[in-house]
Order: sequence, then structure tokens, then C-alpha cells
Amino acid sequence: ETGVTQSPTHLIKTRGQQVTLRCSSQSGHNTVSWYQQALGQGPQFIFQYYREEENGRGNFPPRFSGLQFPNYSSELNVNALELDDSALYLCASSRRMEGLAGDTQYFGPGTRLTVL
Amino acid sequence: AQSVSQHNHHVILSEAASLELGCNYSYGGTVNLFWYVQYPGQHLQLLLKYFSGDPLVKGIKGFEAEFIKSKFSFNLRKPSVQWSDTAEYFCAVRPYSSASKIIFGSGTRLSIRP
Repeated sequence: ETGVTQSPTHLIKTRGQQVTLRCSSQSGHNTVSWYQQALGQGPQFIFQYYREEENGRGNFPPRFSGLQFPNYSSELNVNALELDDSALYLCASSRRMEGLAGDTQYFGPGTRLTVL
Repeated sequence: AQSVSQHNHHVILSEAASLELGCNYSYGGTVNLFWYVQYPGQHLQLLLKYFSGDPLVKGIKGFEAEFIKSKFSFNLRKPSVQWSDTAEYFCAVRPYSSASKIIFGSGTRLSIRP
């Protein structure tokens, strides 16, 4: 167990709807990254939040947006859901330290989103 | 474009066999390298990582990986696998220029026959 929690575990939505997924980071971590893992694929980076601001984004459209709160927890919002958005959404937390290039990300169990 | 290739989609071994999973990446600069494992019904867990120093990295559960810069490779090895090693294994790369973005390979499913 990493201490990263995500809610809900499973979610079913219909095309065109909006969804919010939540992530609580591991104690002592200040950075949250979100990934999309389609069936049979590796995780794909959506974006990262650090100090409540987006800090790097993958190749995802603007209808994927996020927030980070002062307690370092985070939300992923997806608008205008499409069938291809069906996937496992993973949250990873890490501790970014100033002056260091990178950190190790620890993953939560994921939220399984099904779009009908 | 930056990418990570895992050449074996599904590997089937008997217990006690030796394991080597291939991983190659395309990026010319400095990188951080990772292997993650996903056991059935569980979340992604870090097996090992390479940031700098000795290119032979030891991880948990007897796994190790060797970074060969000239070959852009970071292959995962274990001398003797166990049934409990049955899982999906993901190689991942973070370009040094991108402190946030980690690029994952498509994964290798490892099945161990008891």
C-alpha cells in the first residue's frame, strides 16, 4: 500500500456527461500526477499538479482539467465524455524538492471509468 | 517523439527459470528510469529505479535492471522466478528535461507456471 487513495472505485457515465475523480496524496507528498490507462496499455500521462498549479501536461484535450488543493489532494475533471474515455484513471503522488530534477511517483489503486 | 518499447507482450516461464524483460527508449538526453509491477487486482508498485550512479540497480523481490546508455536500454532481470511473480511489468522513462512527465511502455504480461 502506498497511502495514495482514489475515489470512487468504479464509475459509469454516458457520453456527453461530466465526471470528477478524486485523489488524496500520500502523507508528506506535495505533487500529484494523473494518468489514463486504457485496457491492455501502459499508463499515459495526463498532467501534474504542484503548488496548486498545472506543471506539465500530456497530449490530452482541454476538456481534461484538474485542481490541486492546499492539502495537496487533487481532482481530475473530464467534460463532454466520449466512449474512448473509458479507462482506468490513476493518480500518483510524489515529493518534489526544490532544485532536484525529479522524484519517485507512487500510484493509487485507480478509478475505473466506463462511458456508455 | 519520446517513446518506450517493451518487446515482449506476454512471457510464459516455469518456476525457477531466469527472466529478462526488454525495455528500450527513444530520447537522447539524460533520463530517469523505472520498472513498475502490477500484480493481479493490485495497483502499480515501484520495483526499482535508476536516477544516476551504478547502472546496475537492485530492486525489491530479487529483481535487478541494467541501464546501458549506448543501447538506450533498461532491461529487467531475475535469476529465478516464482509463481508469485505473475504480473504485468511496465518500464517507464522520465526525460530529465521534463520533471513531471513519465512515459510508460505498453507492458509485458508475465505468467509463471507452477
